Amino acid sequence: GAGVSQSPSNKVTEKGKDVELRCDPISGHTALYWYRQSLGQGLEFLIYFQGNSAPDKSGLPSDRFSAERTGGSVSTLTIQRTQQEDSAVYLCASSSHTGSYNSPLHFGNGTRLTVT
Amino acid sequence: DQQVKQNSPSLSVQEGRISILNCDYTNSMFDYFLWYKKYPAEGPTFLISISSIKDKNEDGRFTVFLNKSAKHLSLHIVPSQPGDSAVYFCAASYGNDMRFGAGTRLTVKP
Repeated sequence: GAGVSQSPSNKVTEKGKDVELRCDPISGHTALYWYRQSLGQGLEFLIYFQGNSAPDKSGLPSDRFSAERTGGSVSTLTIQRTQQEDSAVYLCASSSHTGSYNSPLHFGNGTRLTVT
Repeated sequence: DQQVKQNSPSLSVQEGRISILNCDYTNSMFDYFLWYKKYPAEGPTFLISISSIKDKNEDGRFTVFLNKSAKHLSLHIVPSQPGDSAVYFCAASYGNDMRFGAGTRLTVKP
């Protein structure tokens, strides 16, 4: 597709359930980021993938959060045993930059997660 | 650890006037700065950027100013239009690391 695609757009889940969020980046983009935006907050960095390098997981808030990127393209963010504080908009972004080259991130429309 | 700060959560200006959005950062390693614009229910979209070797970058109605000694950047929009009403995020990057501020909601009144 022409842009970053995220699914589902909305997800309501019960506390304690696991959820999977999907991101399909722009074709050819080697860098992929996950951010989340809680109500009234800024964009919080979660995890970064660059090509075949080990991902930068420094932003993941707990070990209930994990992400993978298969074949250097599609990424899934998994939240296990969801808690109410996990409720947020989860944004995926991709970029064509490699190394230290800076290029803008292209964001998807996000997945709004609500944990009841 | 908020490395990028936008201290004004909201700003309201009259159509045709100048909008000035401010951003401060703490990490002197940041070497590239960007502004993103976000409409409701959409992801942020890139607006304008500036490298740390410059102090000004202009693109149409949008100008970004960088003051490295003060670790401060600002976005000027002139003239402001109602369609500019959105949340504006400041971002700073170094290598693969990109950090965002909390955003400023700009409202341009007709």
